[in-house]
Amino acid sequence: DTEVTQTPKHLVMGMTNKKSLKCEQHMGHRAMYWYKQKAKKPPELMFVYSYEKLSINESVPSRFSPECPNSSLLNLHLHALQPEDSALYLCASSQVEGASYGYTFGSGTRLTVV
Amino acid sequence: ILNVEQSPQSLHVQEGDSTNFTCSFPSSNFYALHWYRWETAKSPEALFVMTLNGDEKKKGRISATLNTKEGYSYLYIKGSQPEDSATYLCASENTDKLIFGTGTRLQVFP
Repeated sequence: DTEVTQTPKHLVMGMTNKKSLKCEQHMGHRAMYWYKQKAKKPPELMFVYSYEKLSINESVPSRFSPECPNSSLLNLHLHALQPEDSALYLCASSQVEGASYGYTFGSGTRLTVV
Repeated sequence: ILNVEQSPQSLHVQEGDSTNFTCSFPSSNFYALHWYRWETAKSPEALFVMTLNGDEKKKGRISATLNTKEGYSYLYIKGSQPEDSATYLCASENTDKLIFGTGTRLQVFP
């Protein structure tokens, strides 16, 4: 298995909802990443997990809460989001932290906050 | 240069044309330069990772070069095909993270 799988592919949520994005890989990669991409902008790093521990938090608002329950899974819990949080959320993994090893990306979750 | 910049933003070419685009990146604290190919509704696909000044890499009709001293990389596509239509993203790896450009959107017409 050489893929990163993200679910759901699309999500529409209200500002009072709680939802979660899921990311899964079975390549034995020990680093996993969340990126956010707004239209016509580059993907921006949100969080990095290395060996299931949070390594980098790019000053992301607390309404985004990451979780890495095991080495294959990465979740992003969403609560009280704003319409401006609507974006494509990309998950990626690499053998270890540090992109020189190359990243494998999922196809993303398209999130719309209404 | 503080950001990763790509040009042009978009490109329309005829099938069979060769094309190239540019990625400019900060040359300080440079570790590696990545190129990705991203088709709509799919995952970004890694094309190349380059680390050394003067590196050249090739994958089929696609090749890339790297100049770390002046902070730029070129991606070349020889004999473009409609299936090459995609967004080509470059990303510079600095101290601890990957910084992406906004991409060049290529459309190849039959």
